[in-house]
Amino acid sequence: EDKVVQSPLSLVVHEGDTVTLNCSYEVTNFRSLLWYKQEKKAPTFLFMLTSSGIEKKSGRLSSILDKKELFSILNITATQTGDSAVYLCAVAPAGFAGGTSYGKLTFGQGTILTVHP
Amino acid sequence: DAGITQSPRHKVTETGTPVTLRCHQTENHRYMYWYRQDPGHGLRLIHYSYGVKDTDKGEVSDGYSVSRSKTEDFLLTLESATSSQTSVYFCAIQGERVGETQYFGPGTRLLVL
Repeated sequence: EDKVVQSPLSLVVHEGDTVTLNCSYEVTNFRSLLWYKQEKKAPTFLFMLTSSGIEKKSGRLSSILDKKELFSILNITATQTGDSAVYLCAVAPAGFAGGTSYGKLTFGQGTILTVHP
Repeated sequence: DAGITQSPRHKVTETGTPVTLRCHQTENHRYMYWYRQDPGHGLRLIHYSYGVKDTDKGEVSDGYSVSRSKTEDFLLTLESATSSQTSVYFCAIQGERVGETQYFGPGTRLLVL
């Protein structure tokens, strides 16, 4: 059974701090790892990581994947109150687009990030 | 935002009654998914569809059925609602291009009394 574990489960910081969120996984056939942000509504896509060691960056957010050690981290620098959200990690199984297993994501429990002013 | 809507957005029902939730997309995407979200569990896949009339079970499919008679609509039915099915339900869609990610609908809050 595929398994995704996120840590910490919750985190409280002050504006300007840097945070690191962790995601470890055990997946039979790995294709990619995805990060989503959820703010009291639908999850919104942040990053998709497929290759080890290649950092993906978007503004103050960045993420990297280690396929040997089976984990990913999501970094947020200079946090703002608007970063307060649940951050979800998910893994996607190998399979070709058009295949029946395509897109069967397994999610972690999420990390609740609270940023105080 | 991807063109996904869910209806109803909120529903209160009683134990034992059937409930149908609707997911509608305007993106013409092949893949559609139903998830439930509960505290401490993240998102868990209930059922998914890989084409019209092609569906399969996910991780937590007991007590749920789905139907997809046309590309744009994916229905989730709770055959006889139980209090354990109180949850927030999200629909997601995904295209076929390699690397395509999933886009989520706004969610439906269901309370089973």
